[in-house]
Amino acid sequence: DGGITQSPKYLFRKEGQNVTLSCEQNLNHDAMYWYRQDPGQGLRLIYYSQIVNDFQKGDIAEGYSVSREKKESFPLTVTSAQKNPTAFYLCASTQGGFSNQPQHFGDGTRLSIL
Amino acid sequence: SQQGEEDPQALSIQEGENATMNCSYKTSINNLQWYRQNSGRGLVHLILIRSNEREKHSGRLRVTLDTSKKSSSLLITASRAADTASYFCATDTSLGGDKLIFGTGTRLQVFP
Repeated sequence: DGGITQSPKYLFRKEGQNVTLSCEQNLNHDAMYWYRQDPGQGLRLIYYSQIVNDFQKGDIAEGYSVSREKKESFPLTVTSAQKNPTAFYLCASTQGGFSNQPQHFGDGTRLSIL
Repeated sequence: SQQGEEDPQALSIQEGENATMNCSYKTSINNLQWYRQNSGRGLVHLILIRSNEREKHSGRLRVTLDTSKKSSSLLITASRAADTASYFCATDTSLGGDKLIFGTGTRLQVFP
């Protein structure tokens, strides 16, 4: 079955540590997105990429970094500069990368601070 | 920045009843989407309605859009316990761009 796989499901970060969240899709979608969701809140866009080797900042990019070396992969690094990283992180993709297309989501990674 | 605001924030009903959730947004849009999220899971796309459409149906779901009031509603008819989830609206903006802006969501609890 085609879909988006996020790993790990749970992740713990120590002070001063960078951690990387994985997102892989086999839908052959062009665009991929990373969102942050805080308890009882909606989704806020961190970064997105419409094409390989290109990505744009979303609304809350500070303290995060991404890469898009392959069409199917869009890893997110939460750096030590992100002082409040505890949240639920969701990866999504769309065909064509346009806002008139449904977004397909992975099942998320829950990040906590040790 | 969040464009959409859902109302109510939380809704509890009995199985068989209808559930109505509302979404208001601030700027002109090209289309509006509704998503569902089960606890601890990713979002699942339910329905997309374009700005030139007023109503759309999908199974037990009915979505309306009133662009003059900048609002949309999602009606779930004959609800089931399995409909228990959070529901989000998401909009683009007619200013262009390829991003969605999600609302804060309505938490729906359906009791058997």
